[in-house]
Amino acid sequence: SYELTQPPSVSVSPGQTASITCSGDKLGDKYTCWYQQKPGQSPVLVIYQDTKRPSGIPERFSGSNSGNTATLTISGTQAIDEADYYCQAWDSSTFVVFGGGTKLTV
Amino acid sequence: QVQLQESGPGLVKPSETLSLTCTVSGGSISTYFWSWIRQPPGKGLEWIGYVYYTGTTKFNPALKSRVSISVDTSENQLSLKLTSVTAADTAVYFCARGIAVVGHHFDSWGQGTLVTVSS
Repeated sequence: SYELTQPPSVSVSPGQTASITCSGDKLGDKYTCWYQQKPGQSPVLVIYQDTKRPSGIPERFSGSNSGNTATLTISGTQAIDEADYYCQAWDSSTFVVFGGGTKLTV
Repeated sequence: QVQLQESGPGLVKPSETLSLTCTVSGGSISTYFWSWIRQPPGKGLEWIGYVYYTGTTKFNPALKSRVSISVDTSENQLSLKLTSVTAADTAVYFCARGIAVVGHHFDSWGQGTLVTVSS
């Protein structure tokens, strides 16, 4: 079955750039998206189709995907960005796959 | 803006069947994929399966033998049934709208409902 691997935690100072990675076999050949989840809330889509931002998502959120790694980048990280982040992709055999999640501490 | 609301029993006994309904409002259930996703307390997200508005389904291979998902377009609802539940099925269950033009992502989520499996 297809698997996505994320670091359990990432720390960043306010105003700095946070990078959260998501690794999977030939992940660059698939479309990846990212969700933000704050405690007690539902996940919110922040990046889809590797690089696109839904309406209402701040420009400081960006994404990339190449080779075996997709990356969510948060520029000028703010305290309100502290949350769990999940990557997700579609695989032809496993269908929808989520990464294990990364806790971002600001 | 579309809204999703999960409903169903919050407590299910071991070996019994978990049944949940998701009501979609503010938009049609047609032309989208509709998924159930769960999250055990303190853990990550797990996709359970989806139903297309036509009734076509796909399931997580790990749960396929115990899961059924159906859609009622007249009521704008989708339903989940998970049989032979154990404590490992205790989780917050979300329904979500899926977009599958390229890849597959979820742009709208319900608030989630906690289901506890316990005698």
